[in-house]
Amino acid sequence: DQQVKQNSPSLSVQEGRISILNCDYTNSMFDYFLWYKKYPAEGPTFLISISSIKDKNEDGRFTVFLNKSAKHLSLHIVPSQPGDSAVYFCAASATGGGADGLTFGKGTHLIIQP
Amino acid sequence: GAGVSQSPSNKVTEKGKDVELRCDPISGHTALYWYRQRLGQGLEFLIYFQGNSAPDKSGLPSDRFSAERTGESVSTLTIQRTQQEDSAVYLCASSLHPRGEQYFGPGTRLTVT
Repeated sequence: DQQVKQNSPSLSVQEGRISILNCDYTNSMFDYFLWYKKYPAEGPTFLISISSIKDKNEDGRFTVFLNKSAKHLSLHIVPSQPGDSAVYFCAASATGGGADGLTFGKGTHLIIQP
Repeated sequence: GAGVSQSPSNKVTEKGKDVELRCDPISGHTALYWYRQRLGQGLEFLIYFQGNSAPDKSGLPSDRFSAERTGESVSTLTIQRTQQEDSAVYLCASSLHPRGEQYFGPGTRLTVT
């Protein structure tokens, strides 16, 4: 049973436009959410995170929105740039008296077209 | 400073052989994690170390998998009697403290023939 779902395996966006990557989760215990970016043959790189006490976190061109009632989060990239082409993973964790590994979605391959 | 490093970067082994994968975390990071990514899948959590103890081993796929960590430094993931379904990229990550952002190494691509 997948607890973190990224239903779009790929997304194509024109350079300069907004990229919106979506993520849904089923575990109501998740209270910390992260987005990672991955280039081929490299490990994932942390991008941005959000705690469940917030509904928005912004860092430069990247904004993450969290809708707890819908168990949904999204990553907005604006404006999209060619270097943003990568696989984006949504991840979540739950406070449980210690650190657990992150639960990852399967990723969305973002392609920025010139 | 240096990021998380892993060795080897690639490993091809015959079914039934044992393999050992190594991870060097960022200096000072107390938490260390191992993940596995099979082709077309997301990252699958395997095991977590806080210091050199592993409070959570529930993610290890079978008893053929084991991991150790020396102090707050190097960790090794050992897979005994490898099977073809063990083929995957094995990723290591470390964080400064539990539930901090995790920094990943480049991974070890394991192919079992």
